[in-house]
Amino acid sequence: ETGVTQTPRHLVMGMTNKKSLKCEQHLGHNAMYWYKQSAKKPLELMFVYSLEERVENNSVPSRFSPECPNSSHLFLHLHTLQPEDSALYLCASSQESIGVSTNEKLFFGSGTQLSVL
Amino acid sequence: DQQVKQNSPSLSVQEGRISILNCDYTNSMFDYFLWYKKYPAEGPTFLISISSIKDKNEDGRFTVFLNKSAKHLSLHIVPSQPGDSAVYFCAASATGTYKYIFGTGTRLKVLA
Repeated sequence: ETGVTQTPRHLVMGMTNKKSLKCEQHLGHNAMYWYKQSAKKPLELMFVYSLEERVENNSVPSRFSPECPNSSHLFLHLHTLQPEDSALYLCASSQESIGVSTNEKLFFGSGTQLSVL
Repeated sequence: DQQVKQNSPSLSVQEGRISILNCDYTNSMFDYFLWYKKYPAEGPTFLISISSIKDKNEDGRFTVFLNKSAKHLSLHIVPSQPGDSAVYFCAASATGTYKYIFGTGTRLKVLA
């Protein structure tokens, strides 16, 4: 148990559906991240929030929409996805807010395995 | 262009022997490196890290070596145990950034 919980663990959706991924961290951390892991590719950073403010949008298509209502919760809203968006979506958190400290460890959730049909 | 490379997608080692996992990077600004371990159906978990001011960091059975001139780091596991079977990712970051660049991972299988 890493202290970062993601739901759902698995999600199958059609290209016209709208769904949301949820992440909650119980570690009192100030920064939260969304990563995407596609088969045989490195983890790709999608979004970073520091103290609930988005500090990074790594050229992610607008069909992915993040939301961070407070420092413990992070959502990824999905709409009109493509089959190539099928991947493992990982949420992570780190202790310090961005710019306060470097050399932080990331704590990951178990991920949501997404399949887009 | 991949800035962090793990050129061996898989590695098999006999129980009790040494496992050596390698990682190369291209960005000379990277000064902090981490290793993560990932079991199936779980997220990556932090294993060990090293700052560029050091060339070695040890934690129990795990040792990470950093060769800055070669832009190469390696993770040594001694002795290897069947429970070490997992995918291992190396990651790198540069001071002042919050971007961790990950490699593609090496799948380690420790044979009993």
